[in-house]
Amino acid sequence: NAGVTQTPKFQVLKTGQSMTLQCAQDMNHEYMSWYRQDPGMGLRLIHYSVGAGITDQGEVPNGYNVSRSTTEDFPLRLLSAAPSQTSVYFCASSYVARGETQYFGPGTRLLVL
Amino acid sequence: GENVEQHPSTLSVQEGDSAVIKCTYSDSASNYFPWYKQELGKGPQLIIDIRSNVGEKKDQRIAVTLNKTAKHFSLHITETQPEDSAVYFCAASMGFQKLVFGTGTRLLVSP
Repeated sequence: NAGVTQTPKFQVLKTGQSMTLQCAQDMNHEYMSWYRQDPGMGLRLIHYSVGAGITDQGEVPNGYNVSRSTTEDFPLRLLSAAPSQTSVYFCASSYVARGETQYFGPGTRLLVL
Repeated sequence: GENVEQHPSTLSVQEGDSAVIKCTYSDSASNYFPWYKQELGKGPQLIIDIRSNVGEKKDQRIAVTLNKTAKHFSLHITETQPEDSAVYFCAASMGFQKLVFGTGTRLLVSP
């Protein structure tokens, strides 16, 4: 199993540009989530999904969209990037949909100029 | 909502010493408390977790304790080794789907 994979590893955007961060898992996990990690602030939940077709907002959802058309994939979309979205983004998944034993991907480092 | 505070932010120990990281949470409904280790350039990895019906859990050199009354939980690492150097995060589950993380502790183990 590849586990949780994320692409790209690093991306530079200009303010106002859009992009999609990809996340995939091959563990047949129902639960998937996106976090952002900023210095001194730990990880904060952006959006999550408990299964295909079901998504919900986390702590910091503004400026981000998600969809879940398959069990395996959970892309995160930035419609109009802002410098405040400069961060490291982590995708995570778990089999038991209680937020337990979440497996994290390697992260995407995003710089918005 | 849930709030998790973590201390200290940095911790330096000598190889072989013990290290203790403490967290407090605010929501008495939280019932799941994992600890993650994050090495440079990598995603967090679960190292140990504890549920609210258990007071202590051990796994070799790592142990976690939970005091539900005081809403405290702690990570204990004994006989530290240089490869234990990393950032450690505590978290609390505030319901069905969400984990709320502490702000992290950078542990440095010097040979």
